[in-house]
Amino acid sequence: GAVVSQHPSWVICKSGTSVKIECRSLDFQATTMFWYRQFPKQSLMLMATSNEGSKATYEQGVEKDKFLINHASLTLSTLTVTSAHPEDSSFYICSAGPGLDLHTQYFGPGTRLTVL
Amino acid sequence: SQQGEEDPQALSIQEGENATMNCSYKTSINNLQWYRQNSGRGLVHLILIRSNEREKHSGRLRVTLDTSKKSSSLLITASRAADTASYFCATEGSGNTGKLIFGQGTTLQVKP
Repeated sequence: GAVVSQHPSWVICKSGTSVKIECRSLDFQATTMFWYRQFPKQSLMLMATSNEGSKATYEQGVEKDKFLINHASLTLSTLTVTSAHPEDSSFYICSAGPGLDLHTQYFGPGTRLTVL
Repeated sequence: SQQGEEDPQALSIQEGENATMNCSYKTSINNLQWYRQNSGRGLVHLILIRSNEREKHSGRLRVTLDTSKKSSSLLITASRAADTASYFCATEGSGNTGKLIFGQGTTLQVKP
């Protein structure tokens, strides 16, 4: 299957700082990327849908000014957690698609964010 | 919001036994997908079943879909210790947005 990378794989930051997470599709062009967050021992919650060259669509309850998403190219989307607080500590996962099958998404390995 | 529920939440079996996980959902779907997640890692796509399909096989995996009951099951036959992971179902709605709504997941432990 296609490869999606995330960088960094983990990050620790102080409260009030901003953190940028990158999601790259390495071997295919992803017109759509999705961002999820996952709290310990819980499921994935969709945060937003990102289409190349247009504004992201956020799910209900997700603050767009806090979680800035940029999908500047067909291989890169970024999620910036602004003014991070301890409650933002979570596992952030991106996915990219469509793949060969229009319904296939490829998931990145995730980024563990810890806010002190 | 979470689409569905999975049961059991946790399952512990011996190597060689079969493991069955169930998933229920609430809205109409285009397809249903099963994913596996090892602790602290990303998701691995296992199998996709379309809304007009009733059963699908892939190696030791068998997935069924009952759209009248809005439910799906994942069967792993002849389990191995390496199958230990969390398993999630995810539904893609009929709007073709590509958005996936995940179930709560089943944590499977296969004891050697």
